[in-house]
Amino acid sequence: AQKVTQAQTEISVVEKEDVTLDCVYETRDTTYYLFWYKQPPSGELVFLIRRNSFDEQNEISGRYSWNFQKSTSSFNFTITASQVVDSAVYFCALSEASRDDKIIFGKGTRLHILP
Amino acid sequence: NAGVMQNPRHLVRRRGQEARLRCSPMKGHSHVYWYRQLPEEGLKFMVYLQKENIIDESGMPKERFSAEFPKEGPSILRIQQVVRGDSAAYFCASSPNGSHTQYFGPGTRLTVL
Repeated sequence: AQKVTQAQTEISVVEKEDVTLDCVYETRDTTYYLFWYKQPPSGELVFLIRRNSFDEQNEISGRYSWNFQKSTSSFNFTITASQVVDSAVYFCALSEASRDDKIIFGKGTRLHILP
Repeated sequence: NAGVMQNPRHLVRRRGQEARLRCSPMKGHSHVYWYRQLPEEGLKFMVYLQKENIIDESGMPKERFSAEFPKEGPSILRIQQVVRGDSAAYFCASSPNGSHTQYFGPGTRLTVL
């Protein structure tokens, strides 16, 4: 069965601190895709990253970085030097090539960056 | 190239009325997905359509909900006889053939009074 678990429901950190959002997934497919989306208070979904199951290279984009580890089925997201504008709900998600690519979302982590 | 468009952005209905949510995919995209986000929850898959075909409706409630993606025009998610529990944000996503990246619209927030 496919599943995405974001164990942290809510996190609060002070501005400029680093914060890591955890994501653990389950799948039986060998070909799958992992995503992170940001949902700010305005409600839209902002795409952050997609990784395929064959590419375990970590990725860095500005203050954002992602650590994909197949051995632990984890795809964690780190924000360095957090800013108030990073306050949002962050969703980790999974899609499987064998299942028409419908996306399975985790329940999200609500991140509060305190000034 | 305009993104995925959804309208209305906000919709208020009374119990028992019908709700029609529209989604115009990105130009050149022939795959449409609908997701529902209940308050304080993640998004859940409802239905996957290609032009004139429903491919997977495993996430859609069996009663009162229907979806279509006609040859011409937007995809429509229709909810008949709405109840308070239907209050949610409904997101549409589109993708081109063979792509694994879905592009999301801004969502329609349905409130049932």
